[in-house]
Amino acid sequence: DGGITQSPKYLFRKEGQNVTLSCEQNLNHDAMYWYRQDPGQGLRLIYYSQIVNDFQKGDIAEGYSVSREKKESFPLTVTSAQKNPTAFYLCASRIDRGTEAFFGQGTRLTVV
Amino acid sequence: SQQGEEDPQALSIQEGENATMNCSYKTSINNLQWYRQNSGRGLVHLILIRSNEREKHSGRLRVTLDTSKKSSSLLITASRAADTASYFCATDASGAGTALIFGKGTTLSVSS
Repeated sequence: DGGITQSPKYLFRKEGQNVTLSCEQNLNHDAMYWYRQDPGQGLRLIYYSQIVNDFQKGDIAEGYSVSREKKESFPLTVTSAQKNPTAFYLCASRIDRGTEAFFGQGTRLTVV
Repeated sequence: SQQGEEDPQALSIQEGENATMNCSYKTSINNLQWYRQNSGRGLVHLILIRSNEREKHSGRLRVTLDTSKKSSSLLITASRAADTASYFCATDASGAGTALIFGKGTTLSVSS
């Protein structure tokens, strides 16, 4: 089955820790995205990548980092510099600009 | 920056009624997309309408686009309880990048 997979589904982070959220796709898509969603809110863009070894900051990149070493993978690290990381994180991919995006099922991150 | 803004924020209707959601955007676009999100899940693509199209249908969904008013509407006819979800419009950010920007969404509740 082709698709986009996020893991884990639930993640708990202690204060001061870095955590990495996984996003893998086997759709052969060039573009990949990370969004943050807070309760009752829309999606805010954290980072996106158009091709391997290239990525751009979105609207709320502070406190986050990404890498794109493989076409299939776009992991997101939530660093200790992100002061309010508790949120629902969504990863998406698509072929290119102007095409539909496919989403993973999300990772819910909670700071404990 | 949120490119699209949906209206209303929340909508409650009875089964069988029609539901209309609106999206306004700020800059010129090549296309506009609508997505659906069930609670706690990833988004699912519903329909894409290009800037040279005025109306598009998919099953019980009807999307219109008015580029002169920078607005789009999503109509769901004969709503069902299973249509209960949040609905988002999305546009490609202006410029050459592939960033996909979402609005804040409309939460639709359909009661039986």
